[in-house]
Parts: sequence; structure tokens; C-alpha cells
Amino acid sequence: SQQGEEDPQALSIQEGENATMNCSYKTSINNLQWYRQNSGRGLVHLILIRSNEREKHSGRLRVTLDTSKKSSSLLITASRAADTASYFCATDSIIQGAQKLVFGQGTRLTINP
Amino acid sequence: KAGVTQTPRYLIKTRGQQVTLSCSPISGHRSVSWYQQTPGQGLQFLFEYFSETQRNKGNFPGRFSGRQFSNSRSEMNVSTLELGDSALYLCASSRLTPDNSPLHFGNGTRLTVT
Repeated sequence: SQQGEEDPQALSIQEGENATMNCSYKTSINNLQWYRQNSGRGLVHLILIRSNEREKHSGRLRVTLDTSKKSSSLLITASRAADTASYFCATDSIIQGAQKLVFGQGTRLTINP
Repeated sequence: KAGVTQTPRYLIKTRGQQVTLSCSPISGHRSVSWYQQTPGQGLQFLFEYFSETQRNKGNFPGRFSGRQFSNSRSEMNVSTLELGDSALYLCASSRLTPDNSPLHFGNGTRLTVT
């Protein structure tokens, strides 16, 4: 099963509104990353937040990390049509004795004009 | 700086055939990872190479193999193709190991097995 699980699976909002996506994970992590994927293309790295950080910003993106709840959230403020994409969280975890980067199932975000 | 390049972009094969996918990482990146993406299973980790050595491997059958060359370019091979191998195969490179530095993805190879 996936280490990270995003919630909701799909989100549809109006342009200009804020979008919040959540990620929960199961085991201890060193860091958590968020990626965006436009349809049929590769993933684009958005933010990496380390386990000793609680919040990180990048432009209109704000990521929080709560290691006690094993959860993270990605907030996109003042959404634009170009933000329509799938968003994935990825966590490093020890699986079968090896450290791997594991992706969640993603949240599909649709911004309506 | 050129991004990650994957070739070919699209591929159609029949069951039982084999296929080789190629990935050229960003210059200076020593780690290359491969992922399989399908609507039902999402992003599944295949393997990761660092300086020509396979560092990690996912839970895929032995029909899936890969390698990395001294110039960091990587190939993955799938033998005896099955219908279920139809997927988008994504390659990603990173300057350090993926758990410590961002991954830079190519646009993938869309494999269709008929």
C-alpha cells in the first residue's frame, strides 16, 4: 500500500479561491515533497519540507507539516486556471530495508474559470 | 540546462515482445529513478540507480530490469510484455539520492501493449 495518501481525491473550485490538499503518511519520515503533474506529462517538484520544519512557502504555495499527526497540507492561494493538475505528496520511507521515495495517489485539482 | 529526456515518447508493442526505454538525466545528476504510472495503481516505484549501481528496487517481477551507464544515462527493459504493462513510464533524475533532493521528471514514455 502507498505510504502517503492524499485527500480529497478530487477537488473542483472557482478561479481565485484557495485550494487545500492534505497528505497523510504512516511511518516516520526525514522529509516530505509535493509534486504537480499536468495531464500526460512528467511531475514537477514544488516544495520539499524537512521533518524539523513546520511550514514552508513558495510564491502562492504554502506547505505545512505536522509530524505528530503524520500529515501535511498544501495550500494554493488565489488559484488560476493554470493550477489545474494532479498534486502528489511523496515521502521517504524505509521499505524492506531500503530508503525509498514513495508517492501517494494524488489529488486531482480543477480550477473553473 | 536541458531537462530529463525520455525516448521514445510513445510505443506500441504486442504481448510477448520486449521493449527498451531510454532516459537521459540532467547533466551532473547521478541518480536516476524509474516509475510506472497507471490509473489504477498510481505511481509505482520500479528502481533507482546511483553512479551505475542499483540502489533500490520496487516490487516488480524480474521481467523488469534496468541499468545505468557511466554517463548517467539509464535504460529500462521489459521482457515478455503483458497487457498489464501498458502504462506511462517515468524517469526522474536528482543531484543526490531521491530521498534528499528533488526529483526532475521527464515527460515519460507511453507504452501500449496489445
